[in-house]
Amino acid sequence: DAGVIQSPRHEVTEMGQEVTLRCKPISGHNSLFWYRQTMMRGLELLIYFNNNVPIDDSGMPEDRFSAKMPNASFSTLKIQPSEPRDSAVYFCASSLIPGDSNQPQHFGDGTRLSIL
Amino acid sequence: QKEVEQDPGPLSVPEGAIVSLNCTYSNSAFQYFMWYRQYSRKGPELLMYTYSSGNKEDGRFTAQVDKSSKYISLFIRDSQPSDSATYLCAMSWGAQKLVFGQGTRLTINP
Repeated sequence: DAGVIQSPRHEVTEMGQEVTLRCKPISGHNSLFWYRQTMMRGLELLIYFNNNVPIDDSGMPEDRFSAKMPNASFSTLKIQPSEPRDSAVYFCASSLIPGDSNQPQHFGDGTRLSIL
Repeated sequence: QKEVEQDPGPLSVPEGAIVSLNCTYSNSAFQYFMWYRQYSRKGPELLMYTYSSGNKEDGRFTAQVDKSSKYISLFIRDSQPSDSATYLCAMSWGAQKLVFGQGTRLTINP
Protein backbone atom coordinates (compact mmCIF):
# COMPACT_ATOMS: atom_id res chain seq x y z
CA ASP A 1 0.00 0.00 0.00
CA ALA A 2 1.17 3.52 -0.76
CA GLY A 3 2.18 5.57 2.25
CA VAL A 4 1.91 9.31 2.68
CA ILE A 5 3.21 10.97 -0.48
CA GLN A 6 4.81 14.40 -0.36
CA SER A 7 6.01 16.56 -3.22
CA PRO A 8 8.40 17.97 -4.05
CA ARG A 9 11.09 16.09 -2.14
CA HIS A 10 13.45 19.04 -2.42
CA GLU A 11 12.77 22.71 -3.07
CA VAL A 12 15.30 25.50 -3.40
CA THR A 13 13.99 28.98 -4.00
CA GLU A 14 14.83 32.59 -3.38
CA MET A 15 13.56 34.71 -0.54
CA GLY A 16 10.25 36.34 -1.29
CA GLN A 17 8.99 33.59 -3.58
CA GLU A 18 5.82 31.63 -2.92
CA VAL A 19 6.36 28.01 -1.92
CA THR A 20 3.69 25.30 -2.11
CA LEU A 21 4.19 21.91 -0.50
CA ARG A 22 1.82 19.07 -1.32
CA CYS A 23 0.64 15.99 0.52
CA LYS A 24 -1.45 12.96 -0.36
CA PRO A 25 -2.49 11.09 2.79
CA ILE A 26 -2.99 7.35 3.07
CA SER A 27 -6.30 6.37 1.52
CA GLY A 28 -9.00 6.08 4.18
CA HIS A 29 -7.21 8.22 6.74
CA ASN A 30 -9.28 11.16 7.99
CA SER A 31 -6.68 13.11 9.97
CA LEU A 32 -3.82 15.01 8.40
CA PHE A 33 -0.93 16.77 10.10
CA TRP A 34 1.76 19.19 8.94
CA TYR A 35 5.06 19.29 10.87
CA ARG A 36 8.32 21.22 10.53
CA GLN A 37 11.69 19.82 11.61
CA THR A 38 14.81 21.89 12.26
CA MET A 39 18.01 21.21 14.15
CA MET A 40 17.27 23.99 16.61
CA ARG A 41 13.59 23.35 17.34
CA GLY A 42 13.15 19.67 16.48
CA LEU A 43 9.84 18.39 15.12
CA GLU A 44 6.94 20.80 15.64
CA LEU A 45 3.27 20.44 14.78
CA LEU A 46 2.07 23.28 12.58
CA ILE A 47 -1.57 22.41 11.92
CA TYR A 48 -3.85 19.41 11.74
CA PHE A 49 -7.14 18.59 10.04
CA ASN A 50 -9.92 16.14 10.90
CA ASN A 51 -12.28 15.26 8.06
CA ASN A 52 -10.73 18.07 5.97
CA VAL A 53 -11.51 20.69 8.65
CA PRO A 54 -8.64 22.55 10.38
CA ILE A 55 -8.78 21.73 14.08
CA ASP A 56 -5.70 23.40 15.53
CA ASP A 57 -3.42 25.85 13.71
CA SER A 58 -1.74 27.26 16.81
CA GLY A 59 1.62 25.99 15.60
CA MET A 60 1.56 27.98 12.37
CA PRO A 61 4.38 30.47 12.89
CA GLU A 62 3.05 33.49 11.01
CA ASP A 63 0.40 34.72 8.64
CA ARG A 64 2.81 33.94 5.83
CA PHE A 65 1.93 30.28 6.36
CA SER A 66 -1.38 28.82 5.24
CA ALA A 67 -2.70 25.28 4.83
CA LYS A 68 -5.68 23.88 3.00
CA MET A 69 -7.31 20.52 2.59
CA PRO A 70 -9.82 20.78 -0.26
CA ASN A 71 -10.62 17.06 -0.18
CA ALA A 72 -9.76 13.88 1.68
CA SER A 73 -6.86 12.98 -0.60
CA PHE A 74 -4.94 16.24 -0.89
CA SER A 75 -3.50 19.01 1.24
CA THR A 76 -1.18 21.96 0.65
CA LEU A 77 1.05 24.06 2.87
CA LYS A 78 1.86 27.44 1.38
CA ILE A 79 4.47 30.00 2.43
CA GLN A 80 4.14 33.46 0.93
CA PRO A 81 6.48 35.30 0.99
CA SER A 82 9.20 32.84 1.95
CA GLU A 83 12.16 33.81 4.17
CA PRO A 84 15.52 32.10 4.82
CA ARG A 85 14.40 31.15 8.35
CA ASP A 86 11.66 28.99 6.82
CA SER A 87 14.35 26.57 5.63
CA ALA A 88 13.55 23.20 7.20
CA VAL A 89 12.20 19.74 6.45
CA TYR A 90 8.40 19.78 6.28
CA PHE A 91 6.57 16.54 7.02
CA CYS A 92 3.02 15.53 6.38
CA ALA A 93 1.44 12.72 8.39
CA SER A 94 -1.94 11.04 8.34
CA SER A 95 -3.94 8.78 10.62
CA LEU A 96 -7.42 7.65 11.47
CA ILE A 97 -9.16 9.84 14.03
CA PRO A 98 -8.52 8.18 17.42
CA GLY A 99 -11.49 6.60 19.09
CA ASP A 100 -11.13 4.21 22.00
CA SER A 101 -7.56 3.45 21.02
CA ASN A 102 -4.65 5.44 19.78
CA GLN A 103 -4.16 5.71 16.04
CA PRO A 104 -0.54 6.00 14.92
CA GLN A 105 0.46 8.87 12.69
CA HIS A 106 2.14 7.73 9.48
CA PHE A 107 4.70 10.18 8.13
CA GLY A 108 5.78 10.93 4.60
CA ASP A 109 9.46 11.30 3.77
CA GLY A 110 9.28 15.09 3.90
CA THR A 111 10.08 18.07 1.71
CA ARG A 112 13.50 19.56 2.26
CA LEU A 113 13.05 23.31 1.76
CA SER A 114 15.91 25.76 1.33
CA ILE A 115 15.22 29.49 1.03
CA LEU A 116 18.20 31.44 -0.25
CA GLN B 1 11.93 25.24 29.65
CA LYS B 2 10.72 22.94 26.88
CA GLU B 3 7.69 20.74 27.56
CA VAL B 4 9.70 17.66 26.55
CA GLU B 5 13.45 17.33 27.14
CA GLN B 6 15.58 14.74 25.38
CA ASP B 7 19.36 14.47 25.25
CA PRO B 8 20.29 14.84 21.56
CA GLY B 9 23.41 12.71 21.96
CA PRO B 10 25.03 11.50 19.82
CA LEU B 11 25.14 8.10 21.47
CA SER B 12 27.48 5.41 20.16
CA VAL B 13 27.50 1.83 21.49
CA PRO B 14 28.92 -1.54 20.34
CA GLU B 15 26.69 -4.11 18.70
CA GLY B 16 24.90 -6.30 21.23
CA ALA B 17 24.84 -3.66 23.97
CA ILE B 18 21.72 -2.60 25.84
CA VAL B 19 20.69 0.92 24.90
CA SER B 20 18.75 3.23 27.20
CA LEU B 21 17.05 6.35 25.82
CA ASN B 22 15.17 8.78 28.02
CA CYS B 23 12.90 11.80 28.03
CA THR B 24 11.55 14.02 30.76
CA TYR B 25 8.50 16.22 30.52
CA SER B 26 6.83 18.96 32.47
CA ASN B 27 3.14 18.71 31.50
CA SER B 28 1.34 16.37 33.90
CA ALA B 29 -1.65 16.25 31.51
CA PHE B 30 0.22 14.04 29.04
CA GLN B 31 -1.47 10.63 28.80
CA TYR B 32 -0.12 9.13 25.58
CA PHE B 33 3.58 8.34 25.20
CA MET B 34 5.32 7.23 22.04
CA TRP B 35 8.72 6.46 20.63
CA TYR B 36 9.45 7.10 16.97
CA ARG B 37 12.48 5.99 14.98
CA GLN B 38 13.76 8.17 12.14
CA TYR B 39 16.32 7.02 9.61
CA SER B 40 18.34 9.60 7.71
CA ARG B 41 16.28 11.50 5.13
CA LYS B 42 13.14 9.58 6.07
CA GLY B 43 10.02 10.40 8.05
CA PRO B 44 9.58 9.20 11.63
CA GLU B 45 7.95 5.80 12.11
CA LEU B 46 6.11 4.71 15.24
CA LEU B 47 8.08 2.19 17.28
CA MET B 48 6.28 1.95 20.63
CA TYR B 49 3.11 3.37 22.16
CA THR B 50 2.05 3.43 25.83
CA TYR B 51 -1.06 4.86 27.39
CA SER B 52 -0.57 6.27 30.93
CA SER B 53 1.99 4.57 33.17
CA GLY B 54 3.58 1.17 32.92
CA ASN B 55 5.80 -0.96 30.74
CA LYS B 56 5.36 -2.33 27.26
CA GLU B 57 7.56 -4.86 25.52
CA ASP B 58 7.82 -5.63 21.81
CA GLY B 59 10.63 -7.95 20.80
CA ARG B 60 13.94 -6.31 21.65
CA PHE B 61 12.26 -3.03 22.62
CA THR B 62 10.81 -2.07 26.01
CA ALA B 63 9.08 1.22 26.77
CA GLN B 64 8.60 2.46 30.33
CA VAL B 65 6.52 5.36 31.59
CA ASP B 66 6.82 6.78 35.11
CA LYS B 67 4.21 9.53 35.40
CA SER B 68 5.10 10.29 39.02
CA SER B 69 8.60 11.27 37.92
CA LYS B 70 7.51 12.60 34.48
CA TYR B 71 10.09 10.31 32.90
CA ILE B 72 9.90 7.87 30.01
CA SER B 73 12.47 5.39 28.73
CA LEU B 74 13.11 3.16 25.75
CA PHE B 75 15.40 0.14 26.11
CA ILE B 76 16.86 -1.71 23.16
CA ARG B 77 18.30 -5.15 23.92
CA ASP B 78 20.88 -6.92 21.73
CA SER B 79 21.32 -3.76 19.66
CA GLN B 80 22.02 -4.17 15.95
CA PRO B 81 23.68 -1.86 13.39
CA SER B 82 20.23 -1.56 11.75
CA ASP B 83 19.03 0.16 14.94
CA SER B 84 21.26 3.13 14.10
CA ALA B 85 18.84 6.04 13.72
CA THR B 86 17.46 9.04 15.54
CA TYR B 87 14.94 8.15 18.24
CA LEU B 88 12.27 10.69 19.11
CA CYS B 89 10.00 10.56 22.11
CA ALA B 90 6.53 12.05 21.67
CA MET B 91 3.63 12.62 23.99
CA SER B 92 0.17 14.12 24.03
CA TRP B 93 -2.85 14.71 26.21
CA GLY B 94 -5.47 14.13 23.54
CA ALA B 95 -3.88 11.48 21.34
CA GLN B 96 -3.61 13.73 18.30
CA LYS B 97 -1.53 16.79 19.13
CA LEU B 98 1.93 15.32 19.64
CA VAL B 99 4.82 17.14 21.33
CA PHE B 100 8.18 15.71 20.32
CA GLY B 101 11.53 15.61 22.05
CA GLN B 102 14.60 16.84 20.24
CA GLY B 103 15.60 13.30 19.25
CA THR B 104 18.67 11.23 20.19
CA ARG B 105 21.02 10.17 17.42
CA LEU B 106 22.10 6.57 18.05
CA THR B 107 24.90 4.66 16.31
CA ILE B 108 25.45 0.93 16.83
CA ASN B 109 29.00 -0.04 15.90
CA PRO B 110 29.57 -3.55 14.43
